[in-house]
Parts: sequence; C-alpha cells; structure tokens
Amino acid sequence: KAGVTQTPRYLIKTRGQQVTLSCSPISGHRSVSWYQQTPGQGLQFLFEYFSETQRNKGNFPGRFSGRQFSNSRSEMNVSTLELGDSALYLCASSLAGQQIYEQYFGPGTRLTVT
Amino acid sequence: GQNIDQPTEMTATEGAIVQINCTYQTSGFNGLFWYQQHAGEAPTFLSYNVLDGLEEKGRFSSFLSRSKGYSYLLLKELQMKDSASYLCAVRNSGYALNFGKGTSLLVTP
Repeated sequence: KAGVTQTPRYLIKTRGQQVTLSCSPISGHRSVSWYQQTPGQGLQFLFEYFSETQRNKGNFPGRFSGRQFSNSRSEMNVSTLELGDSALYLCASSLAGQQIYEQYFGPGTRLTVT
Repeated sequence: GQNIDQPTEMTATEGAIVQINCTYQTSGFNGLFWYQQHAGEAPTFLSYNVLDGLEEKGRFSSFLSRSKGYSYLLLKELQMKDSASYLCAVRNSGYALNFGKGTSLLVTP
C-alpha cells in the first residue's frame, strides 16, 4: 500500500507570495491533518479534514487555509507569506471516524520564504 | 489549553535502557501517542495508550497514568539506530494531536 505523499518536497517563495501544498493520503484513509514543524516550536497542529469538512483548527492566522476533495486528497494554502512561515509542513492521514487511529505522516514539504 | 513537556535532550549508551518522560495538561484526553522521528524524515508511530498501564511492543514500552498526566517511553537494548527525536503527543477531546517539542536521544557506543 502506498504511503502518504506530499508535493512538492521543496519550495522557495518570496515574502508576500502565496503557496499551495498538496497531500495524498493512504488509500482508504479519510482524515487528513496538517502540521507545521519548526526547530523552535516543534510540531504544531494546523487543521484536520474529514470527509471534505474541517473538523479541527489550530491556532494559526487566517492566512493558513485548507480543503479536502472527495477523493480525500487535501491541499493547504498560505497567503501573504512571511519569513516566519519557513518550516517543514507535514500532512498525516488516518482511518479516523469516531475512533482513535494512529496517524501516518508524509515526508513533508520544506518551505523556505526569502 | 495544552501543555506537553518532555526533556529536550538525553544521552544513553548502546545496549542500555532509557526512559523518556512526558507530562501533560490538556483540556480533554483521548489518548497519548509516541512517535519517532529521525533527522530529515517524517515521524513514525511507536505506541498508543488510552488506558492507564503499560503497553509493550518489542524493545519499546509506553506507560500512562491519566490521573497524574504522565507518560513514559521505555527503550530497551538500545541500538545506534535509536538515535532520533521522540515525540509525545496527546489527542484532545476533538481529533487534533498536540505534540510536545520532542526529546532528542543520542545513543553512544
């Protein structure tokens, strides 16, 4: 079974631009969560989608948004990029539903904002 | 709010046993997870506890005390490849995983 895939793997953007990252979950997984990882703050939860609906949202500004498609693939968008948005963005998928399932992480997208 | 604490760094010797502690204060509790993350790689799942007690999985064990807001990950027979960051994460009453900042473990010969 293929794992979680994320594209692109690396991205360099300029301050003020916007960026869209993509995540394809493991086949059959309907929940997709997004995290931002930085050396100073560690892994921080951005949001989680299940069946095309955002179920949870972390404490990030409205510049961070996401969506999920009917095939469970998800995208996250960051508008008006700031230098502090430079980070590794990880997506994770799980079977979810109402029970607790482990999350499987993708390799991440390394975003550098200059 | 969420507060998850774990030591920043630990060092242990190959073949030894190491215990990585995690304390948490969260609004709602729906399970505690441990993940391993090697440098430059994605986190991988190690263990999950939702009830008090010890869960054993080969060389790795994880313990949970919900009343104390405390968990530990026990690694036995340490190998060089166990050098990695170990992340404690708590799932709250929603579906979000809240992570600690991770413990960087260095295994020395």
